[in-house]
Amino acid sequence: GQNIDQPTEMTATEGAIVQINCTYQTSGFNGLFWYQQHAGEAPTFLSYNVLDGLEEKGRFSSFLSRSKGYSYLLLKELQMKDSASYLCAVRDGNYQLIWGAGTKLIIKP
Amino acid sequence: IAGITQAPTSQILAAGRRMTLRCTQDMRHNAMYWYRQDLGLGLRLIHYSNTAGTTGKGEVPDGYSVSRANTDDFPLTLASAVPSQTSVYFCASSEEEGESGELFFGEGSRLTVL
Repeated sequence: GQNIDQPTEMTATEGAIVQINCTYQTSGFNGLFWYQQHAGEAPTFLSYNVLDGLEEKGRFSSFLSRSKGYSYLLLKELQMKDSASYLCAVRDGNYQLIWGAGTKLIIKP
Repeated sequence: IAGITQAPTSQILAAGRRMTLRCTQDMRHNAMYWYRQDLGLGLRLIHYSNTAGTTGKGEVPDGYSVSRANTDDFPLTLASAVPSQTSVYFCASSEEEGESGELFFGEGSRLTVL
């Protein structure tokens, strides 16, 4: 079967750096997405990786290794507003999105 | 209207009742989707539509139906609600499958079936 694994919850300190990992096993691969979801709100798009390597966008970076079935989202200079759930999703060979359960990130002062 | 609008925001429904969740987008996106989100699980696709006039089944379609009469509207109907359909429902849209296919989500509809 297809599955996406990511930690359920992580805690980090304001101003620090945190890395959220995502491993996947899918039938085919056509890209990996990261979304941010604040409690009670809709998910919003953060990043998209289809080739191996690092994509940087401001304080957020996303890395992909297709051979390892692995991605991470790196958040730098953490702010309290970064407290949210981070969802990893993979588009499989049939262009269907498979979603992880999300990682709840708690930022402490 | 800017983006995707869902209605109602929240609803409590008796089991056995019929319910339609409305979704409207003003971005002229071809593809639209309905997801449900339950605690501890990833988003699960209920139904989708790649373009007006066509629909398809997702991962968990049973008990739900959709229609896509035009580009903007994509309602989701529960013909006879059951308690296991208690969930948060998100409507989403995207421009094209071939590109990044970024999804734009509505604010969600929280449905409780008693």
